[in-house]
Order: sequence, then C-alpha cells, then structure tokens
Amino acid sequence: NAGVTQTPKFQVLKTGQSMTLQCAQDMNHEYMSWYRQDPGMGLRLIHYSVGAGITDQGEVPNGYNVSRSTTEDFPLRLLSAAPSQTSVYFCASSYGLADQETQYFGPGTRLLVL
Amino acid sequence: AQSVAQPEDQVNVAEGNPLTVKCTYSVSGNPYLFWYVQYPNRGLQFLLKYITGDNLVKGSYGFEAEFNKSQTSFHLKKPSALVSDSALYFCAVRDVNYNTDKLIFGTGTRLQVFP
Repeated sequence: NAGVTQTPKFQVLKTGQSMTLQCAQDMNHEYMSWYRQDPGMGLRLIHYSVGAGITDQGEVPNGYNVSRSTTEDFPLRLLSAAPSQTSVYFCASSYGLADQETQYFGPGTRLLVL
Repeated sequence: AQSVAQPEDQVNVAEGNPLTVKCTYSVSGNPYLFWYVQYPNRGLQFLLKYITGDNLVKGSYGFEAEFNKSQTSFHLKKPSALVSDSALYFCAVRDVNYNTDKLIFGTGTRLQVFP
C-alpha cells in the first residue's frame, strides 16, 4: 500500500491564483480530512469527509473547497489564493469518523503564496 | 470548548535521561486525549491515547503518558531518551458533541535529544 499520498510537495502561488492540492489513499478509508499546520498554532481542520459524496466544514474552511467523488481521492481547492493561506497542508484518512485519532497522515504540501 | 495546551515550545534532554513533554487539557465531560509525533518532512503519527481506565497509558516507541484528572494533565514520558526521539510532539483532544466530532491539537513541542 502507498498509504496517503499528496501532490505537489511544494508550490508557490501568486495572490489570486487558484490551484488544487491532491490527496489519495489506497486503504479503502471512508474518513478523510485536510489540515493546515502553522507555526505556533498546531494543526487546524479545514474540511473533512465521512464518505464519497459527503463533505463538511472544519474549523477554518474559508477560502477552500473540497469534493469527494470517489473513496480514494479528496482534493482541496484554493479558488483565489491569499498570503494568509501560506502553510503546510496535510491530508489524512482513517477507516471511519470513530477512528480519526489513528488517522494516517500524508507527507504534506508546503504552499507559499506571494 | 475543548482545548489542550502545551506550555513548552521546546524541550532539551540528554540521551539516556528521562524525558517529559507537558500537556494540559480543558474539557467538559470525559476527556479523550492523544499524543502524536511528527518527524521532519513527514505527517503526524499516532503514539497513544487515553479514553478510560488505567491512568498510565503505554504507546509506540517506548513512550507512555500519565493522565492526571486533578491536575488536568496528560504528560508524555519516556524513561530513557534516544537521539532518534528528536521530533515535534502534539497533544490532542477529541471534541465530540451533538454537532461535531473532531480533533483539537495543541501547538506542539519540539523535543531535542542531545548525544
């Protein structure tokens, strides 16, 4: 198993540009989530999904969209990037919402918005 | 609202010495508490959890954590530190109520183990 994979590893954007961060898992996990990690703030939940076709907002959803058309993929879209979205983004997955504390985390995407 | 606090940004310890990484919590109801480790350029890895039962919880890589209800603490410990334990450690609490079920993370503590 590849586990949780994320692409790209690093990206530089200009303010106003859009992009999609990709996340995929091959463990047939129903629960997937996106976090952002900022210095001195720990991880904060952006969006999550409890299964294909179902998504919901986390703590900091503004400026981000998600969709879950398949069990495997959970892309995160930035429609109009802002410098405040400079961060490290982690995707994670687990068998279900009840197992979220043992989520498998991807290696992260480091995003810089100029 | 549920929260956790990690009062130390960094902890330094010599290899072979015991280590403690501190975490305090604030919850309504019974706490569900967790520790994670993050090695450089990697995602978080689950170490251990406290749900109920024995106050001393054992986890991966020789780590353990002690739940103390009176002090609202859940400190991570290891009897003998290794250089390879150097990493970023996060405490977390599970926030569960009628309209939410998510993890709330602390700000992290960087552990540096010196040879």
